[in-house]
Order: sequence, then structure tokens, then C-alpha cells
Amino acid sequence: DAGVTQSPTHLIKTRGQQVTLRCSPKSGHDTVSWYQQALGQGPQFIFQYYEEEERQRGNFPDRFSGHQFPNYSSELNVNALLLGDSALYLCASSFRDSPGYTFGSGTRLTVV
Amino acid sequence: LAKTTQPISMDSYEGQEVNITCSHNNIATNDYITWYQQFPSQGPRFIIQGYKTKVTNEVASLFIPADRKSSTLSLPRVSLSDTAVYYCLVGDLGNFNKFYFGSGTKLNVKP
Repeated sequence: DAGVTQSPTHLIKTRGQQVTLRCSPKSGHDTVSWYQQALGQGPQFIFQYYEEEERQRGNFPDRFSGHQFPNYSSELNVNALLLGDSALYLCASSFRDSPGYTFGSGTRLTVV
Repeated sequence: LAKTTQPISMDSYEGQEVNITCSHNNIATNDYITWYQQFPSQGPRFIIQGYKTKVTNEVASLFIPADRKSSTLSLPRVSLSDTAVYYCLVGDLGNFNKFYFGSGTKLNVKP
């Protein structure tokens, strides 16, 4: 039973560029949440998708957007990259109100 | 959302029992308490979850007093591989699992 799969694992982008990160949820899960984790800090909630709609959003600018597909997979898009966007981006899946997320291993984004 | 407070770091030795306490004074009636473990460059891993009293699974125990304003994660007989950051989260399961992480507790297990 595959867990949460994220791609790519590492990415280097230049300031001002755009990036797309991908996530496949754990089998049987229908809800995907995205988190940003800066070095030495806890994960910060970006947004959550359920039934292809953004259901919850954290305190992140509109440069951060997402999408969920009918097969429950999801993408995180970040436009106009800033140096401060360098972080580990984590995808977590869950099944509606069931307890606990399952996290992927993340995508390490470096903006130079 | 209930804010959580944990010690920044803790040291222990192999074979000891480790107890990490989390304070959540403004926990709401519908909130559950969840603990995650995270190793460097990996996603957090679910450890245990509870609402009140005591919960035990194969890796840890969670103690929650009657007022629910704090909780204690207990790790029996830790090993070097338990060196990680441990996060305490409080949130309403009905809110589609939108949880906020604090800074966590860095547990350092020494030989």
C-alpha cells in the first residue's frame, strides 16, 4: 500500500520563476493538505483540498495556489518565487474526519 | 485554534523512559490531541492521538488529565533512533484535520 508520494524530491529555481509541486495521496485518502517547513521550524499550513476545492487556507499570499484532480492527486503552484520561499514542502493526505495525516517525504525547494 | 507550548529540547539516554509535556490551556471541547514525530528531511509521522484519560499503542502512551489543559507523551525505553522532533497538535477532527504545528521538542537520545 503506497503512502503519500511527492515529486520532485529536490528542486532549484531562480527568484521570480514559477514552480509546480506534485502529490499523490495514500490509497483510500481523499483530502490533501500542503505545508511549508522552513529550516528549524515546524510545518506551516498552506491550504487543504477536498472534492477538488480549496476548503481551508492558512496565512499565505495568493502567489500560492493549488489544484486537486478527480483522482485526488494535487499540485501546489508558487508564482514569482522569493528567496524566502526556500523550504521543505510537505503534502499530507487524510480521509475526511479520520484521525491523523499521512505525510509524504516532501519536496526541498531552493530559490537562488 | 488552541495554541500549544512544548519544551524546545530534551536530552535522554538509551533505555530511559521519556516524557514530553505539552500545554494547551485554551483547548476546545471538540479538540483532539495528536503527536507527531519528525526526522530530518522527512515528513512528520503520526504517533498517537487522544481525547481524554490515557491512550496506549505499540510505540507510546498519551496521558491527558481531566481538565485537558495539558498532555504528556511517554516513550518507553528510548533508543538512539528515537532522536527526532516531536510535535504536539490540538485540533477539531471535524474541521477536516486542519492542524497547526508549533516548533516542537527536539529529543536527543544519547548512548
